[in-house]
Amino acid sequence: GAVVSQHPSWVICKSGTSVKIECRSLDFQATTMFWYRQFPKQSLMLMATSNEGSKATYEQGVEKDKFLINHASLTLSTLTVTSAHPEDSSFYICSASRVAGGTGELFFGEGSRLTVL
Amino acid sequence: GEDVEQSLFLSVREGDSSVINCTYTDSSSTYLYWYKQEPGAGLQLLTYIFSNMDMKQDQRLTVLLNKKDKHLSLRIADTQTGDSAIYFCAPGGGGYQKVTFGIGTKLQVIP
Repeated sequence: GAVVSQHPSWVICKSGTSVKIECRSLDFQATTMFWYRQFPKQSLMLMATSNEGSKATYEQGVEKDKFLINHASLTLSTLTVTSAHPEDSSFYICSASRVAGGTGELFFGEGSRLTVL
Repeated sequence: GEDVEQSLFLSVREGDSSVINCTYTDSSSTYLYWYKQEPGAGLQLLTYIFSNMDMKQDQRLTVLLNKKDKHLSLRIADTQTGDSAIYFCAPGGGGYQKVTFGIGTKLQVIP
């Protein structure tokens, strides 16, 4: 199946610093990528939809200045958590959809665990 | 928006069948997915069903859809310890549309 890679898989940072998480589709082109956040023992909450070459669409309640999303190419989207605080600690997961629609399958990355001290 | 409900926990013995149920509210959902998440990992697509189907079988997996009642179920035959994971029901549209995840059902398989 298609592969989506996230990097880093685990990051620990100090409060006030910014952290960038990358999401790459390794063997297909993805015009649309989605960023999710998952708290312990909870479901995935969609944060934003990232479209190649245009601004991301954020879900209600998600601060766009806090969570910067850039989708500069058909294979890469980045999520930057700016001025991170302990409450931003979470598991962030991206997914990507193929350009050619098909079954509508979403391919998920392995997730990036952020811990803010 | 779409509401998706699943039971939180299911425990079965190895070799038995597991049935995970899901209800949803958006009748316009076109694709209904089941995802599996192992601890600390991302999600893996298990199977999906189109909204115009009642049943889909894929090896040990059987998906049943009652569109009238907006009820989806996933049956795992001959459940193995490797099936222990969290299973998410996720109705949605095509690939460019949002998929809404249920809270996930944790399946525990007892050897």
